Amino acid sequence: GAVVSQHPSRVICKSGTSVKIECRSLDFQATTMFWYRQFPKQSLMLMATSNEGSKATYEQGVEKDKFLINHASLTLSTLTVTSAHPEDSSFYICSARDLAHYEQYFGPGTRLTVT
Amino acid sequence: DQQVKQNSPSLSVQEGRISILNCDYTNSMFDYFLWYKKYPAEGPTFLISISSIKDKNEDGRFTVFLNKSAKHLSLHIVPSQPGDSAVYFCAARLGTGNQFYFGTGTSLTVIP
Repeated sequence: GAVVSQHPSRVICKSGTSVKIECRSLDFQATTMFWYRQFPKQSLMLMATSNEGSKATYEQGVEKDKFLINHASLTLSTLTVTSAHPEDSSFYICSARDLAHYEQYFGPGTRLTVT
Repeated sequence: DQQVKQNSPSLSVQEGRISILNCDYTNSMFDYFLWYKKYPAEGPTFLISISSIKDKNEDGRFTVFLNKSAKHLSLHIVPSQPGDSAVYFCAARLGTGNQFYFGTGTSLTVIP
């Protein structure tokens, strides 16, 4: 089946620094990748949708200058949390979709803790 | 505004019995529905899906039912196994785009 990886799985950073999270589709070409955020005991909240080679589309309320998304290739998308603050601490999950399937295949997630 | 809702945050079922997880939605334009299973600190894994033109889809122990008039879908797991213990999310897709709308999840515990 389709495999999506995320790196790192867990990161701790200091307030004010930037953190980059990678999302890779390992055995298929992901024309579209999605970035979600999940708070404890809450649903997955879509942050942005990125299509390869074009700018990401951000959901309402998500600061695009704070959460930089790059989808430079059909197998890689990155999310950079800039000037991180403690309230950015969360579980970030990416998913990927190819043209042939309706399903989104999710990565294992990245636990970000900002101290 | 939560367009997909799972009103039961948790459910406990005895091993071997049926687990029924429910999901309600508000947008009649959703054309595809999915169920995902999630373990703690892991990403969701796809479980089963159903198109809006169908009312039932079955895959082994898992069956999804769709009632469009009631804007309701349910996931049945029979027989339930301890390994089924996880959080289950339902998701709905709008036909015009790729965006999925997720419910808040139901934590299923199957008691041995």
